[in-house]
Amino acid sequence: GENVEQHPSTLSVQEGDSAVIKCTYSDSASNYFPWYKQELGKRPQLIIDIRSNVGEKKDQRIAVTLNKTAKHFSLHITETQPEDSAVYFCAARGNSGAGSYQLTFGKGTKLSVIP
Amino acid sequence: DTEVTQTPKHLVMGMTNKKSLKCEQHMGHRAMYWYKQKAKKPPELMFVYSYEKLSINESVPSRFSPECPNSSLLNLHLHALQPEDSALYLCASSQAGEVSTEAFFGQGTRLTVV
Repeated sequence: GENVEQHPSTLSVQEGDSAVIKCTYSDSASNYFPWYKQELGKRPQLIIDIRSNVGEKKDQRIAVTLNKTAKHFSLHITETQPEDSAVYFCAARGNSGAGSYQLTFGKGTKLSVIP
Repeated sequence: DTEVTQTPKHLVMGMTNKKSLKCEQHMGHRAMYWYKQKAKKPPELMFVYSYEKLSINESVPSRFSPECPNSSLLNLHLHALQPEDSALYLCASSQAGEVSTEAFFGQGTRLTVV
C-alpha cells in the first residue's frame, strides 16, 4: 500500500516569513495529492491540491510543487500570518485494488506562526 | 451544497451500549469513507464504500459495523466499544473511481467511551 512521509513534524516561523512542508510517497501510481489544514477541534479542510500531470500550482500565498520522478511534493506558504497556525496534512490518493481508491495521510506538521 | 453532515457532534457511551454515527451528503458522491482520528495524529482510514458497496475494510474490529443504506447516507454502528476507541470519527465523501477529486470531510463526531 501507499506510504506517505511528512517533514517536519513541527515548524515555527515568524509572521511574514515563509513556511515549507515536504512529503514523499511510495506508490508511483498515486495521482492526486491534496493538502489539508486542520485547526484544533475542527475538520480537515482542503487548502490546495495537485494532480500528477501538473508540476506546480499556486493559490495566492499557497503553492504546491510535485516531482513525480522523485516522488515528493511540497507545500509553500508565503507571508505567513498568525491564522495560518494549524496542523497541516499532506495526502496521496492511490489505487487500493478492485477499483477502490483511498487517501493516505502523512503524520502532519504543526505550524506555529509567531506574531 | 458542499457539506458533509455528521450527527451527533459529541457522544458519550458506556462499554455495553449500542449507538450509531450518521453521515449524510448530497453532492452526488459515490465514495464515502469513515476515518478515526486520535489527538495529534492523522486521520486513519477505517472503511471505504464505493457505489454503496464496502470496498475497503482496514482490519477494523467487528465492534465497528458500517452500513451504507443509499448513496447519500453512511452509518457506523458501535457496540461493546473500549475506552481506547475514544476518538474523533470523521466521515468523508468524494467522487468514486479513477477521477481524482477532493474529499470533503464532515465536522466529525467526538466519541468518548467510558
